[in-house]
Amino acid sequence: DAGITQSPRHKVTETGTPVTLRCHQTENHRYMYWYRQDPGHGLRLIHYSYGVKDTDKGEVSDGYSVSRSKTEDFLLTLESATSSQTSVYFCAISDARLDDEQFFGPGTRLTVL
Amino acid sequence: AQSVTQPDIHITVSEGASLELRCNYSYGATPYLFWYVQSPGQGLQLLLKYFSGDTLVQGIKGFEAEFKRSQSSFNLRKPSVHWSDAAEYFCAVGAGGFKTIFGAGTRLFVKA
Repeated sequence: DAGITQSPRHKVTETGTPVTLRCHQTENHRYMYWYRQDPGHGLRLIHYSYGVKDTDKGEVSDGYSVSRSKTEDFLLTLESATSSQTSVYFCAISDARLDDEQFFGPGTRLTVL
Repeated sequence: AQSVTQPDIHITVSEGASLELRCNYSYGATPYLFWYVQSPGQGLQLLLKYFSGDTLVQGIKGFEAEFKRSQSSFNLRKPSVHWSDAAEYFCAVGAGGFKTIFGAGTRLFVKA
C-alpha cells in the first residue's frame, strides 16, 4: 500500500470553528489532492498541489484553504466550519498529472454540528 | 464540460454470475479512463486504466473494461462475481491539467 496517512480519522466539531486536516505521504510524490465524498456526488476535488507551495483550486474550493510547506504534508483547513462541510475527506497522491493512478488515503470523517 | 455518468446507483448480482457496470463520459479529446473500487470504510483503489492502444484492458481481481469511443463508454466487466467484490465502484476520466472527474459511483451488492 502507498504510504498515505490522514489525521484525524474522525472529527466532530461545531459550526464556526476552524478545522485542519492533515495528509502525510512517504512516497515523495509530487502531486497531492484533497477530495470530499458525498452520497450521489462521487468524489469532488477541493484543492490540489503540484509542488511545495504550489496549490490551486478545484471545483468545490469555497470555504477551504490548503498549504503545502513540505513535499510530504498537505493540509486542508476549513476556515469556519459549516454543516454543509460534513463529509468524508480523502487525500490522494500521484506522481504524474494524468497518466498515472492516484493513491488514496483512508479518509477523514468530519461532522459539523 | 467534462463529465462522467454511472447510470446505475446500485446493482445486485448473485455470486458466480457475470457483472457489467456502465460508465459513460463526456470529454472532447482522447480520454484517460479509470475504474476504482472502494470497500466500506476504505479509500479508493485502482482496478484498471486506459490511456491508448488495445481497447480491452485487464485489471486486478479479474476485472476488465472495454473502451468504446463511438459510444463514449468504458464499461467494467467481470465474468464471475465473488462475495468479496461487494463494494462501490467509481469510473473516472482524466480531465486535463491536474483534474480527474469521478462518477457518482455504483454500489454492488452480491447475494449468495
